[in-house]
Amino acid sequence: GQNIDQPTEMTATEGAIVQINCTYQTSGFNGLFWYQQHAGEAPTFLSYNVLDGLEEKGRFSSFLSRSKGYSYLLLKELQMKDSASYLCAVRDPYGDSWGKLQFGAGTQVVVTP
Amino acid sequence: DGGITQSPKYLFRKEGQNVTLSCEQNLNHDAMYWYRQDPGQGLRLIYYSQIVNDFQKGDIAEGYSVSREKKESFPLTVTSAQKNPTAFYLCASSGRSGQRSGNTIYFGEGSWLTVV
Repeated sequence: GQNIDQPTEMTATEGAIVQINCTYQTSGFNGLFWYQQHAGEAPTFLSYNVLDGLEEKGRFSSFLSRSKGYSYLLLKELQMKDSASYLCAVRDPYGDSWGKLQFGAGTQVVVTP
Repeated sequence: DGGITQSPKYLFRKEGQNVTLSCEQNLNHDAMYWYRQDPGQGLRLIYYSQIVNDFQKGDIAEGYSVSREKKESFPLTVTSAQKNPTAFYLCASSGRSGQRSGNTIYFGEGSWLTVV
């Protein structure tokens, strides 16, 4: 099995930067995803990391360190619409299916004016 | 537009009843999945299917059943054996490993099931 930990909630001000950390303990690794989920809606894909380093995509960046079992999602220039839950998910390394993911419980980000 | 369609959005079930949640995709994806989400918890995998006429149990398959008679469709039945079915259900799909589309898993809009 896999254990995935992320903070429950974070609060930040509009225009600021927030970093959401995710740590995982697994017997193998085959990629890490970040999803954004607004309340009552489907998760939407933000990023996918399989190699160490930083992936930048507009205001969002994701970092991975496989040796440390650690990833973070960086949200810059926060906007009110960024208030949502952010889900960290690790792909099953031994799975026979590309979409078998283990999810953390999610981090609720609250953006204040 | 391509995507995943789940229906109904809201469903109420009486105790002892079976209910079926529909999931249809027009992304030409081979693999489809059902996840369950409870408040404050991560998504958990119920069942998945790699190809037509084949499916596998996920982490919490007890009390659920599925079928995969067509590539586009992967309905989930919540049976009376599922003792705590109230949750948000998400259907997803992905391409095969190695395909360019395989790196991304797409989700439907979800279905809320409540036991009354």
